[in-house]
Amino acid sequence: GNSVTQMEGPVTLSEEAFLTINCTYTATGYPSLFWYVQYPGEGLQLLLKATKADDKGSNKGFEATYRKETTSFHLEKGSVQVSDSAVYFCALSHRSNDYKLSFGAGTTVTVRA
Amino acid sequence: DGGITQSPKYLFRKEGQNVTLSCEQNLNHDAMYWYRQDPGQGLRLIYYSQIVNDFQKGDIAEGYSVSREKKESFPLTVTSAQKNPTAFYLCASSSYTDTQYFGPGTRLTVL
Repeated sequence: GNSVTQMEGPVTLSEEAFLTINCTYTATGYPSLFWYVQYPGEGLQLLLKATKADDKGSNKGFEATYRKETTSFHLEKGSVQVSDSAVYFCALSHRSNDYKLSFGAGTTVTVRA
Repeated sequence: DGGITQSPKYLFRKEGQNVTLSCEQNLNHDAMYWYRQDPGQGLRLIYYSQIVNDFQKGDIAEGYSVSREKKESFPLTVTSAQKNPTAFYLCASSSYTDTQYFGPGTRLTVL
């Protein structure tokens, strides 16, 4: 079946540091891939997505590239801010699973000033 | 503004009570979903509905019930059969094959 494996946290960084959160997936065919962000006490917000191989999703300085050859969708940001402190979820959807989302476990990121 | 609303934001339940969580969307989405999130953990699917008057069980449906009488509404009832209902509940909607968008959540606490 479909599954997502996400880098375990927590991750603690200083402001302006480089952030990478690894995400790999198992799925048949070509799933759509997503990164969601959850701030404390809130729902999930879509951060970025990619729907086909080699697509790059980007938003708010974050980027992730859909790599079919390595079945990966790693999230990166070149210079983090305190406001980026949140929980980040990698997810996929595919028609083989009725387009339901399969989530990773989430990675807690804390950025210190 | 288009979006998903959930109410109430906080809900307290006594042992043996049924409670209903509201989820409304004005995005004209066909599909709606309910998830449960426990502290420090990921999301688990409770129920989902791809069309009005139809819904399917997710991974943890026991102790929960839903209805989908209107396209914009998908209420979740947490019944007394749910043994450990304290959690954060998230509703989402999508145009079936497209991106899911989430509401702000309801935090349920059993007293």
